[in-house]
Amino acid sequence: QLQLQESGPGLVKSAETLSLTCSVSGASMTSSYYYWGWIRQPPGKGLEWIGSITHSGLSFYNPSLKSRVAMSVDTSKNHFFLSLDSLTAADTGVYYCARRGVNDAPFDPWGQGTLVIVSS
Amino acid sequence: QAVVTQPPSLSASPGASVSLTCTLPSGFNLATYRFYWYQQKPGNPPHYLLRYKGDSDKHQGSGVPSRFSGSKDASANAGILLISGLQSEDEADYHCLIWHNSSWVFGGGTKLTVL
Repeated sequence: QLQLQESGPGLVKSAETLSLTCSVSGASMTSSYYYWGWIRQPPGKGLEWIGSITHSGLSFYNPSLKSRVAMSVDTSKNHFFLSLDSLTAADTGVYYCARRGVNDAPFDPWGQGTLVIVSS
Repeated sequence: QAVVTQPPSLSASPGASVSLTCTLPSGFNLATYRFYWYQQKPGNPPHYLLRYKGDSDKHQGSGVPSRFSGSKDASANAGILLISGLQSEDEADYHCLIWHNSSWVFGGGTKLTVL
């Protein structure tokens, strides 16, 4: 059964860079049939797609975050990564990783999420 | 102007049917959009329910009861999640998702209360 698990610092400072890891188990990331995505949710608010990446490292970002985001993948470790720089309090929230199949497949499953608090 | 709009909250009684809307701005061609629906309970990640573009292009999530279904309302330019036979366990936040201008865009979510 496919499982995803986010990890990273729970507290980061304003203006610094957030680095998160998503560890994938139960399936290999080497398949070309999937995208690996990051989605976040500020406290008490809705969801926001951050970006997606393929096993070969082809990435797609939300235009509103594109200047601050970088994603990468390490298929040998079955991990993919998120980097978000120039942090502000508005970046506080729960960060989820998820898998999406190609074509019209949904984001499913999702990790449990990791709370990131940006402090001044 | 938000790309997709959901009412912040909705309430209904057990056993009732409720329609949750995901509204596109006027001028957006409803027929070309595929709507994905997710249910989220407190402290948990979103759970995929279903996808709906039309009766010939739809998908039900694994294990999702048939009382959850999708449709569209052309008069409202909206995607619809219909929940029939409402149960207390359906109390949750519901999020819609579309693909628009090469980006995935979520609605703001609707908090459904089962009274």
